[in-house]
Amino acid sequence: AQTVTQSQPEMSVQEAETVTLSCTYDTSESNYYLFWYKQPPSRQMILVIRQEAYKQQNATENRFSVNFQKAAKSFSLKISDSQLGDTAMYFCAFRRGNTGKLIFGQGTTLQVKP
Amino acid sequence: EAQVTQNPRYLITVTGKKLTVTCSQNMNHEYMSWYRQDPGLGLRQIYYSMNVEVTDKGDVPEGYKVSRKEKRNFPLILESPSPNQTSLYFCASTKAHEQYFGPGTRLTVT
Repeated sequence: AQTVTQSQPEMSVQEAETVTLSCTYDTSESNYYLFWYKQPPSRQMILVIRQEAYKQQNATENRFSVNFQKAAKSFSLKISDSQLGDTAMYFCAFRRGNTGKLIFGQGTTLQVKP
Repeated sequence: EAQVTQNPRYLITVTGKKLTVTCSQNMNHEYMSWYRQDPGLGLRQIYYSMNVEVTDKGDVPEGYKVSRKEKRNFPLILESPSPNQTSLYFCASTKAHEQYFGPGTRLTVT
């Protein structure tokens, strides 16, 4: 069975600085996708970034980028130039192939301080 | 606008009183699912449906029922709610790489 682990329950960063959130996963699958979701206080689930396992290039979306280490089964999220609006809970998630099921990590609460 | 709607958004109820949380999507997606979110556990899948009249258990199905009579609707039914079902619930609709979440339903069972 696949598992996803986020070992940092809480993190904080100063505004404009860079922060990295960690995520590791365990799977024997070769075809899968990895995601980072943001959940602000509104509780809405917002997709931040997606990585296909077959792609070697790390995904990037503006200030958000990932470090995908397939052999190590690691998928960290880097947030550059942190903004107050980045304050939220962040979830790492795994999806096998084209199934609809997401397996989530425990979440990391990120606070950006002014 | 592509969206997933859930109702109600907030619900406080008592143990044993049957309730239904509705979920509807307007994207004609075949795959829909329900998750519950609990502190320290992330989101866990309760039930999913791959199409009309096709449903199956997720990781935490005990105490829940679902139905899929129409493609757009996927209600979650708690026939006899208990306090351990107090949680935040999300409905989701999936097609290809895209997963759309509803706004969430905060359920409290006293």
